Amino acid sequence: NAGVTQTPKFQVLKTGQSMTLQCAQDMNHEYMSWYRQDPGMGLRLIHYSVGAGITDQGEVPNGYNVSRSTTEDFPLRLLSAAPSQTSVYFCASSSSGTGRYIQYFGAGTRLSVL
Amino acid sequence: KNEVEQSPQNLTAQEGEFITINCSYSVGISALHWLQQHPGGGIVSLFMLSSGKKKHGRLIATINIQEKHSSLHITASHPRDSAVYICAVTFGNEKLTFGTGTRLTIIP
Repeated sequence: NAGVTQTPKFQVLKTGQSMTLQCAQDMNHEYMSWYRQDPGMGLRLIHYSVGAGITDQGEVPNGYNVSRSTTEDFPLRLLSAAPSQTSVYFCASSSSGTGRYIQYFGAGTRLSVL
Repeated sequence: KNEVEQSPQNLTAQEGEFITINCSYSVGISALHWLQQHPGGGIVSLFMLSSGKKKHGRLIATINIQEKHSSLHITASHPRDSAVYICAVTFGNEKLTFGTGTRLTIIP
């Protein structure tokens, strides 16, 4: 199993550009989430999904959209990038079965918005 | 609002030393996680516990529900243990609330 795969690893955007951060998992996990990590702050939840077709907002959802059309994929869209969205983004997944709540993280995407 | 506080923020120790990292939280939880973030950025789950103690190799995690406190111990520390250790809590669902992490550096 590849686990949780995030692409790209690095991205530089100009203010106002849009882009999609990709996240895919091959563990058949129901729960997927997006976090951002900023210096001096803990990871903060952006959006999450408890299954295909179901998404909800986390702590810092503004400026981001998500969708979950399949169990495997959970892309994060930046609609109009702002410098405040410069951060490291992590996708994570977990199962509702054995080992529930244990989260598996992707390698992260480092985003800079100029 | 739940707060998750970790101490110390930074810890430097000599190889072989016994390491303790602390985590306190302000409201009742259903489970507490310890995570390790490597210098390259990847995050790995070390432990999830709701009571008592868990051990994996040289790592030991304990939790005291009444005191709302958990500790992560590393015995016989090694330079490869250098990483950021993150405490996170959950309230009966998959949403995690994270501490800001403890940066551990082990000097050979």
